[in-house]
Amino acid sequence: DQQVKQNSPSLSVQEGRISILNCDYTNSMFDYFLWYKKYPAEGPTFLISISSIKDKNEDGRFTVFLNKSAKHLSLHIVPSQPGDSAVYFCAASAKNAGNMLTFGGGTRLMVKP
Amino acid sequence: KAGVTQTPRYLIKTRGQQVTLSCSPISGHRSVSWYQQTPGQGLQFLFEYFSETQRNKGNFPGRFSGRQFSNSRSEMNVSTLELGDSALYLCASTDLTGGSGYTFGSGTRLTVV
Repeated sequence: DQQVKQNSPSLSVQEGRISILNCDYTNSMFDYFLWYKKYPAEGPTFLISISSIKDKNEDGRFTVFLNKSAKHLSLHIVPSQPGDSAVYFCAASAKNAGNMLTFGGGTRLMVKP
Repeated sequence: KAGVTQTPRYLIKTRGQQVTLSCSPISGHRSVSWYQQTPGQGLQFLFEYFSETQRNKGNFPGRFSGRQFSNSRSEMNVSTLELGDSALYLCASTDLTGGSGYTFGSGTRLTVV
C-alpha cells in the first residue's frame, strides 16, 4: 500500500513556463513534507519542505502548497529552466518516526528550451 | 565540507552471495539512514541508525541488516542475495530530525546475476 503517490510519472514543459508536480498521501500521521530532486547517477538533493501547520512555503522559484484536507501537496517551479530537468520525489515523515521518510515514486520533469 | 561517501559505487554479485556496503556520513552527523531505490518501487526506507543504535526499521526481510560504528560510519549487509535485490542503495545522513537535513550519497549500484 503506497502511502505517498505521485501519479504522473513524467511531465514536459516549455522553458519559462510553470511546472506543477503533484503528490498525494494517505497517512494522517504525516506532519512534514519534502521535495527532493535527483539527477542520474547522483543521490537525491533536498529542495524544499513544508510543515503541516502551514499551507505554503516559498523559496525562490520553488513553492510548495499543502492541502491537508485533500491530503495533497504540489510543487510549483516558476519559471522553469532546462537545468530543472530531473526526477522529483515528494516525501513525508511522521512525528516520532525519527528520520524515516516515505517517498513517492517520482516524476520525471523535462524542461524544453 | 565533504559529502556523504558511499563505497563501492558499483558491485556485481551472484545469487546466494552476501554483500557489504559502506557509508561515511558528513562529519558531525550522527543519524545515518539507508534506502533502496528500484524502478518499480521507488525509494524505500531500510533502516536508520543513530549513535550506533538502530532507531527505525523498514519492511525488509532479515537478510538486510546494518550497523553503525562509533565514528558514525555505517555498513549495510545483504545475505543470500536474490535477483530482486538488484537496486541502487542510498545512504543519507543528518544531524536533525524530520528529514529536512538529509544529505544523500551518490549510492551503490548493486547488480545480482
